[in-house]
Amino acid sequence: AQSVTQPDIHITVSEGASLELRCNYSYGATPYLFWYVQSPGQGLQLLLKYFSGDTLVQGIKGFEAEFKRSQSSFNLRKPSVHWSDAAEYFCAVEYGNKLVFGAGTILRVKS
Amino acid sequence: EAGVTQSPTHLIKTRGQQATLRCSPISGHTSVYWYQQALGLGLQFLLWYDEGEERNRGNFPPRFSGRQFPNYSSELNVNALELEDSALYLCASRRSSGTEAFFGQGTRLTVV
Repeated sequence: AQSVTQPDIHITVSEGASLELRCNYSYGATPYLFWYVQSPGQGLQLLLKYFSGDTLVQGIKGFEAEFKRSQSSFNLRKPSVHWSDAAEYFCAVEYGNKLVFGAGTILRVKS
Repeated sequence: EAGVTQSPTHLIKTRGQQATLRCSPISGHTSVYWYQQALGLGLQFLLWYDEGEERNRGNFPPRFSGRQFPNYSSELNVNALELEDSALYLCASRRSSGTEAFFGQGTRLTVV
């Protein structure tokens, strides 16, 4: 079965520090990959997506992600975290016309 | 352009009752997805509608059902509510496969 793994349930970083959230997937073909962010009690907002082409993709709010086929990974990065980035982040892969989500990573930002 | 809208925002029902949740997709989007986000269980795929037809459903009992209307809006019905149905129900829409899906703000269903 296709799956998405986000190994870190919680991550805490200091404001201004860099951030990397990990995502690994299992999928036979070239996947469509997504990162979403969710603030408490809210819906999901798309941060960025990868369909094909350049393996480094830029998203909103200063986020970027790199697709590495050899590692089946699609890690999310941000060079300098702001307090407003505190939220839950979900990696997703499209499979069979639906999105399969990872369990999410809760990001806490300390000042 | 209006985003995906869901109603109601909050819904409180008693066990055994029925709940109806509604979703209006972004204009031009024909596909609607429903997800359940229960505490500790992540985002679970419920249903996918496209062009008025149910195309796929997740591993949920038949008391979870829905439909898509000719204007592509959708409703999710949950019959014989159980306490564990309490969750945030998210609707998403998109133009077609291989394009990004946009989510609504969700309906918080509480079963007491």
